[in-house]
Amino acid sequence: RKEVEQDPGPFNVPEGATVAFNCTYSNSASQSFFWYRQDCRKEPKLLMSVYSSGNEDGRFTAQLNRASQYISLLIRDSKLSDSATYLCVVNKIGNQGGKLIFGQGTELSVKP
Amino acid sequence: EAGVVQSPRYKIIEKKQPVAFWCNPISGHNTLYWYRQNLGQGPELLIRYENEEAVDDSQLPKDRFSAERLKGVDSTLKIQPAELGDSAVYLCASSFPSGTRSNNEQFFGPGTRLTVL
Repeated sequence: RKEVEQDPGPFNVPEGATVAFNCTYSNSASQSFFWYRQDCRKEPKLLMSVYSSGNEDGRFTAQLNRASQYISLLIRDSKLSDSATYLCVVNKIGNQGGKLIFGQGTELSVKP
Repeated sequence: EAGVVQSPRYKIIEKKQPVAFWCNPISGHNTLYWYRQNLGQGPELLIRYENEEAVDDSQLPKDRFSAERLKGVDSTLKIQPAELGDSAVYLCASSFPSGTRSNNEQFFGPGTRLTVL
């Protein structure tokens, strides 16, 4: 079993739709959690950190459930520019250093 | 400010040949990482350096892979000999040291796309 597992995708949605990605992790000792975005043939870039209390950044909302070892990302009012692969990431330490464990990614395609 | 620089961007070689990738991290970032990303997968850490010291190389296939960061700045990752299964994107990332601050985001370079024929 992989340490971080994500919805297989791809997700094909129309502009303006709301889309949710789910992720589970197996190591209960994981301390920090992130969503990264990776455009086609580009490098991964940090989208947002994920906190237990839930956090929001504009149209993006991230949630963490430590008891269920579950992470989610909600994108509201999808834009064409949101098309990318979204990577769920966990870390055994409480910051962004060290060994990041990436999920396989979920591809999102937003259509006009 | 310049980001993480990697070269070459693309490399095509025949199996059993050697290959080397170079990375120059963001200025001031003491921590350097090499990741490998296979098609349809997320990146996987190969090795992590704090300055010139390799502090985590548990995922590096040491029979054919080697890395160095002699002066604690730029780094080279080498494969010798390359195998078909080594075809992947090799990503370099850098950050401030892991334990020194809460915001030590890892910044990735554009990667080297390796094809082994």
